[in-house]
Amino acid sequence: EAGVTQFPSHSVIEKGQTVTLRCDPISGHDNLYWYRRVMGKEIKFLLHFVKESKQDESGMPNNRFLAERTGGTYSTLKVQPAELEDSGVYFCASSQERTANSPLHFGNGTRLTVT
Amino acid sequence: AQKITQTQPGMFVQEKEAVTLDCTYDTSDPSYGLFWYKQPSSGEMIFLIYQGSYDQQNATEGRYSLNFQKARKSANLVISASQLGDSAMYFCAMREINFNKFYFGSGTKLNVKP
Repeated sequence: EAGVTQFPSHSVIEKGQTVTLRCDPISGHDNLYWYRRVMGKEIKFLLHFVKESKQDESGMPNNRFLAERTGGTYSTLKVQPAELEDSGVYFCASSQERTANSPLHFGNGTRLTVT
Repeated sequence: AQKITQTQPGMFVQEKEAVTLDCTYDTSDPSYGLFWYKQPSSGEMIFLIYQGSYDQQNATEGRYSLNFQKARKSANLVISASQLGDSAMYFCAMREINFNKFYFGSGTKLNVKP
């Protein structure tokens, strides 16, 4: 079974540019999450999809961030225009069930650097 | 308020010794799950161990055990017989069922010395 895959693994862009991150969850996992870790700080929740619907997007920092999950399969996270404080590692995770003991399965993350 | 607190930004342990990584949590949800993840330098997040809020016994998975003290709201990870490959970042996480959210701590960087 393939794990969660994220693309690209690294991205370096200038302030004001646009970047799109992609996540392919484990096949059959309806729940897809985006998280972000800024250097040295905790991993922060961004948003949660159940299939193609946004279940919770309370963690999205502002309207420069747009997440989509067309067809309930892969998801994209677009940052437009990027700011310096957007730098960090963006993790995607998926889980099969919405139960207490169902862990999140993470991708390797995308390291975004905004200069 | 912080949902998950990891007070040890860095830890050192001698190879073959045991080490405890601290984690405290805060929730009003009666049903929750506690998780530990390992992040080696390669970047991937590896699920290690799970403890449910209603579990009576502490969870164990090989050399990993979770010291769950519900009244104190702590869920410390114990790694026995440390190996060099255990050097990594370790994150404590909590899932609140009623709110279906995962919260993570800031992590503890463990270095195992030969």
